[in-house]
Amino acid sequence: GQNIDQPTEMTATEGAIVQINCTYQTSGFNGLFWYQQHAGEAPTFLSYNVLDGLEEKGRFSSFLSRSKGYSYLLLKELQMKDSASYLCAVRDSNYQLIWGAGTKLIIKP
Amino acid sequence: DARVTQTPRDKVTEMGQEVTMRCQPILGHNTVFWYRQTMMQGLELLAYFRNRAPLDDSGMPKDRFSAEMPDATLATLKIQPSEPRDSAVYFCASGLWGQGDTEAFFGQGTRLTVV
Repeated sequence: GQNIDQPTEMTATEGAIVQINCTYQTSGFNGLFWYQQHAGEAPTFLSYNVLDGLEEKGRFSSFLSRSKGYSYLLLKELQMKDSASYLCAVRDSNYQLIWGAGTKLIIKP
Repeated sequence: DARVTQTPRDKVTEMGQEVTMRCQPILGHNTVFWYRQTMMQGLELLAYFRNRAPLDDSGMPKDRFSAEMPDATLATLKIQPSEPRDSAVYFCASGLWGQGDTEAFFGQGTRLTVV
């Protein structure tokens, strides 16, 4: 079966760095997405990786290793507004999106 | 400012009533998803359309749920009859896939409460 694993919850301190990991087993691979979802709101797109390596976008970076079925989202200079759930999703060979359950990130002052 | 529009934003209905949720995908997008999200289950795929054709609705309870795209500007999700366990947030998302692939853009969701 297809599976995406990510930690349920993480806690970090304002101003620090946090890394959220995602491992996947899917039928084929056509890209990996990271989304941010604040409580009561819709998911919003953060990043997309289709080739191995690091994609940097401001305070957020995302890394992909296709051979290991592994990605991480790195958030730097954490702000209180970064408190949210972070969803990892893989697009499989049928162009279906397979979603992880999300990682709830709690930022403490 | 292109966005996915969902109506209604909130719906409270009595058990047994029919519920229809509507979604206007971003103009030009060829892929539309319907998702259900609860605290317990995360994002569950209900239906998936490409160029208005249903590709996957295996996650949808067929006895009470139906999803259609009568035209490229409208997707509907219908529940008849509704049950309390259907209470959740229903998201529609659209994207341009297979042609220079975009990400999936989400609407603001319909919060459904069945009492």
